[in-house]
Amino acid sequence: GEDVEQSLFLSVREGDSSVINCTYTDSSSTYLYWYKQEPGAGLQLLTYIFSNMDMKQDQRLTVLLNKKDKHLSLRIADTQTGDSAIYFCAESGEYSSASKIIFGSGTRLSIRP
Amino acid sequence: DTGVSQNPRHKITKRGQNVTFRCDPISEHNRLYWYRQTLGQGPEFLTYFQNEAQLEKSRLLSDRFSAERPKGSFSTLEIQRTEQGDSAMYLCASTADWGDTEAFFGQGTRLTVV
Repeated sequence: GEDVEQSLFLSVREGDSSVINCTYTDSSSTYLYWYKQEPGAGLQLLTYIFSNMDMKQDQRLTVLLNKKDKHLSLRIADTQTGDSAIYFCAESGEYSSASKIIFGSGTRLSIRP
Repeated sequence: DTGVSQNPRHKITKRGQNVTFRCDPISEHNRLYWYRQTLGQGPEFLTYFQNEAQLEKSRLLSDRFSAERPKGSFSTLEIQRTEQGDSAMYLCASTADWGDTEAFFGQGTRLTVV
């Protein structure tokens, strides 16, 4: 079945780059997402990439997609304390169809001073 | 519009009691979704409405769970005879089915069954 896997924890020093990795199994995935969840807050869509793209950059965020290996990564440049959160990798066959979004278990990003 | 609103934010109930949660989506959004998120996991889809019609239900939604969206605006999720395993964060999301609109999530209702 469909599955999305990601490591549970990542710790980086403030100012360094953070790289969060994810693998997925559904080869028909059309959209791949990164969501951010802060304590007490709802899920926030950070960025997404269409499956025919290799890379997408948006300010400090860079998404890389290796469709052959079904591997997605999120790089956050110049990581700040405000980036502390849980980051969810997710995939779907249709943009913005939340019913079809399959989420990973989330990666908790912590920032060291 | 202030986004997707969920009430209450927190609910503690005794096992066996019934609970009801409410979700008010973004006003022009015709699609509404319910998700459940347990500790250390990502959200899992429960059910989905397009306007007032409930179009899809997950096998996670046992017969103790019922969701309604009577006028195609707000939605309620009721859990009858709650069990400790129902303890989770219940998330609501809404989106429009036209154009490239993202799904916006509410802050969730955290249910604790004691």
